Amino acid sequence: NAGVMQNPRHLVRRRGQEARLRCSPMKGHSHVYWYRQLPEEGLKFMVYLQKENIIDESGMPKERFSAEFPKEGPSILRIQQVVRGDSAAYFCASSPGQGAEETQYFGPGTRLLVL
Amino acid sequence: AQSVTQLGSHVSVSEGALVLLRCNYSSSVPPYLFWYVQYPNQGLQLLLKYTSAATLVKGINGFEAEFKKSETSFHLTKPSAHMSDAAEYFCAVSERGAGNMLTFGGGTRLMVKP
Repeated sequence: NAGVMQNPRHLVRRRGQEARLRCSPMKGHSHVYWYRQLPEEGLKFMVYLQKENIIDESGMPKERFSAEFPKEGPSILRIQQVVRGDSAAYFCASSPGQGAEETQYFGPGTRLLVL
Repeated sequence: AQSVTQLGSHVSVSEGALVLLRCNYSSSVPPYLFWYVQYPNQGLQLLLKYTSAATLVKGINGFEAEFKKSETSFHLTKPSAHMSDAAEYFCAVSERGAGNMLTFGGGTRLMVKP
């Protein structure tokens, strides 16, 4: 059973460009979470999605960031007009159920560098 | 609101010595608690979790953690460190009825000396 897959693993963008990060959850998982890890910090929750629905986006910056999890295909985290402060590792996780006790399985992350 | 504090951003032990990584949490309701390990340039791997069953939880790679409600702690231990244990360790909490988000501590980098 393949784990959570993320691509690309590394992404370099210039200021003002768009970044698209993709996440394919584990097979059978319909709950997806995105977290951001800034250098030398812990992970911070960004958004929780189920198929075609955003359940909790309380951790998302108000501007430039959006996320989706369509009926078909991977979940996408989109950052428009990137700035240097967006440089971070972005991790996707998935879980089989929706309870707070559910284990979240993490992907390898996408490391975004904004020049 | 839930929060997690990991005391000690860096811990160094000798190979074969006891590993103790500290985690204290704040939660308004009984929490669920997790320990994850992160190796360089990789994602997070679950070591163990507490979900209100036994207070002493055994995980992978010889690690275990004890939930102590009176101390609001969930410290991670391993009796004998191995070189391969060198990594960053994160404690995380989630709350019943507060969504599914994990709130992470700042992490503790474990170094193992030969």
